[in-house]
Amino acid sequence: NAGVTQTPKFRVLKTGQSMTLLCAQDMNHEYMYWYRQDPGMGLRLIHYSVGEGTTAKGEVPDGYNVSRLKKQNFLLGLESAAPSQTSVYFCASSYVSGSNEQYFGPGTRLTVT
Amino acid sequence: QKEVEQDPGPLSVPEGAIVSLNCTYSNSAFQYFMWYRQYSRKGPELLMYTYSSGNKEDGRFTAQVDKSSKYISLFIRDSQPSDSATYLCAMSADRDDKIIFGKGTRLHILP
Repeated sequence: NAGVTQTPKFRVLKTGQSMTLLCAQDMNHEYMYWYRQDPGMGLRLIHYSVGEGTTAKGEVPDGYNVSRLKKQNFLLGLESAAPSQTSVYFCASSYVSGSNEQYFGPGTRLTVT
Repeated sequence: QKEVEQDPGPLSVPEGAIVSLNCTYSNSAFQYFMWYRQYSRKGPELLMYTYSSGNKEDGRFTAQVDKSSKYISLFIRDSQPSDSATYLCAMSADRDDKIIFGKGTRLHILP
């Protein structure tokens, strides 16, 4: 099993450009999450999904959109990137009744200039 | 007061020493407590998971929860250079509730 994978690993964007981060999991998990991690701020939840076709806002959702068209995939979109969105983005997944035990991907390092 | 407080470190200790990492929290509803380990440029991985108060031991690692003081600890015995990482505490009120993470403590084990 690959676990949780993220694409791409690195990306540099210019202000105003758009991009989509892809998260895939092969563990048949119901719950999926997108976090951002910034120095001194810890992990902050952006959006999450409790199942295929459903999404919900987390702590810092502004400027991001998500979609969960297939159970194994969770996409994070930036429509108009801003320098404040420079961060490391982590995807995670968990079983439906055990969201405490989250399995994380390797992260995507995004720089917006 | 922040929901979860964790000293960011860095904490440097010699190899073989006992390491103590701690978090305090303010929400008395938290019942599930976790410690995640994150190596540099990697995603966090679950290290220890405990429910309610008490101790849990797994090899060289011991997790301790004191709900009356709203204080949790992770002890690492016989620390190794491979234990050098950032350790994040995390907690939630319910199994299906969102997890609140601490900001992490950077640990360096000196050979």
